[in-house]
Amino acid sequence: QKEVEQDPGPLSVPEGAIVSLNCTYSNSAFQYFMWYRQYSRKGPELLMYTYSSGNKEDGRFTAQVDKSSKYISLFIRDSQPSDSATYLCAMSDLTTSGTYKYIFGTGTRLKVLA
Amino acid sequence: DVKVTQSSRYLVKRTGEKVFLECVQDMDHENMFWYRQDPGLGLRLIYFSYDVKMKEKGDIPEGYSVSREKKERFSLILESASTNQTSMYLCASSSQGSNTFGSGTRLTVV
Repeated sequence: QKEVEQDPGPLSVPEGAIVSLNCTYSNSAFQYFMWYRQYSRKGPELLMYTYSSGNKEDGRFTAQVDKSSKYISLFIRDSQPSDSATYLCAMSDLTTSGTYKYIFGTGTRLKVLA
Repeated sequence: DVKVTQSSRYLVKRTGEKVFLECVQDMDHENMFWYRQDPGLGLRLIYFSYDVKMKEKGDIPEGYSVSREKKERFSLILESASTNQTSMYLCASSSQGSNTFGSGTRLTVV
């Protein structure tokens, strides 16, 4: 079993729809939870960064963390064609050197249709 | 904004060649990372460094080495390139918290 599971999609939605992207994880020691957006042929860019269980909102994006269920979500409201990208979840794991390293999901490819 | 710059966007190398991928960050971050990204496998950590001259193996270090002589620069070395090392290579840096990524180097080994 992978430490982080993410449905690869692709997920196609009409413009204006609410999008829900999800990841599950198995390691209860993960402390920080992130969502990245990656456009084709580009590096990932950070969208959301959370630490505790609960919701965090930033514009049209809401990140939700449920540590008891080991489940995180990213919601996109009023989706736009420019949101078409691959979305990666990531979680931090503390190494023996005291550095955080990051475990990534495989990414969900999202297409928002105009 | 933190900027992470990878020296090449596209590279084509021959099997057996020694390949150097360079990465520079401009925000004085302690931590730097090298990942490779493959379809269906996601991002996998090759090596990371938490200080100058310090390094730790990630999940897939075989066939790779790294060098960090200066804080801002982290190099990935493919000692003898093989076709199964054809991939997108991503460099990232962080202080505390999340990674900031470069644009990636797409390496093809023929």
